[in-house]
Amino acid sequence: DAGITQSPRHKVTETGTPVTLRCHQTENHRYMYWYRQDPGHGLRLIHYSYGVKDTDKGEVSDGYSVSRSKTEDFLLTLESATSSQTSVYFCAISEQGTASPLHFGNGTRLTVT
Amino acid sequence: DQQVKQNSPSLSVQEGRISILNCDYTNSMFDYFLWYKKYPAEGPTFLISISSIKDKNEDGRFTVFLNKSAKHLSLHIVPSQPGDSAVYFCAADRSGNTPLVFGKGTRLSVIA
Repeated sequence: DAGITQSPRHKVTETGTPVTLRCHQTENHRYMYWYRQDPGHGLRLIHYSYGVKDTDKGEVSDGYSVSRSKTEDFLLTLESATSSQTSVYFCAISEQGTASPLHFGNGTRLTVT
Repeated sequence: DQQVKQNSPSLSVQEGRISILNCDYTNSMFDYFLWYKKYPAEGPTFLISISSIKDKNEDGRFTVFLNKSAKHLSLHIVPSQPGDSAVYFCAADRSGNTPLVFGKGTRLSVIA
């Protein structure tokens, strides 16, 4: 397995509270991604990073922010969680960013009540 | 607009037979295609890829075929095994550091 650790693995939170999910890698890869997986939607990109302090939005970025202050860490923050953000969140890393496979973490299951 | 489509949400195949999973795409700029396999409670794992300069790539029991004119790719698993039961995602990429675009997935069940 690629060295990717997501924390926490499970979280239950209440609507309106802030939540931060962490992705930590030991591969020194430049590219990092946050996806969410929902039934009937597959994997959808939230945000990605192509270097320290370099991030960009994906197709479902509303309500989410990210930060990457170190190569190894990529944080996903829900500023004010909503029930529609109940999902499984996957972090992924890539060495080249194009024409190279992504390697995924094992996911964080987030429930917003 | 969905750029990568997997029109079959599920597929059941008998053990030992061939499994064929299909994927269509709409963006002619895509030039690299991948298949991922996902077991419950785990992250997706990379299975096989193909560049647009090829029409076939083989890795053991897994073969991916690409038909650029039809904007269609397929994953063949021969012979299918019960351990192949998983959700399979098709993904596409284009040069220029743009992130992968995934299909919605197909759940494969291999029946012993």
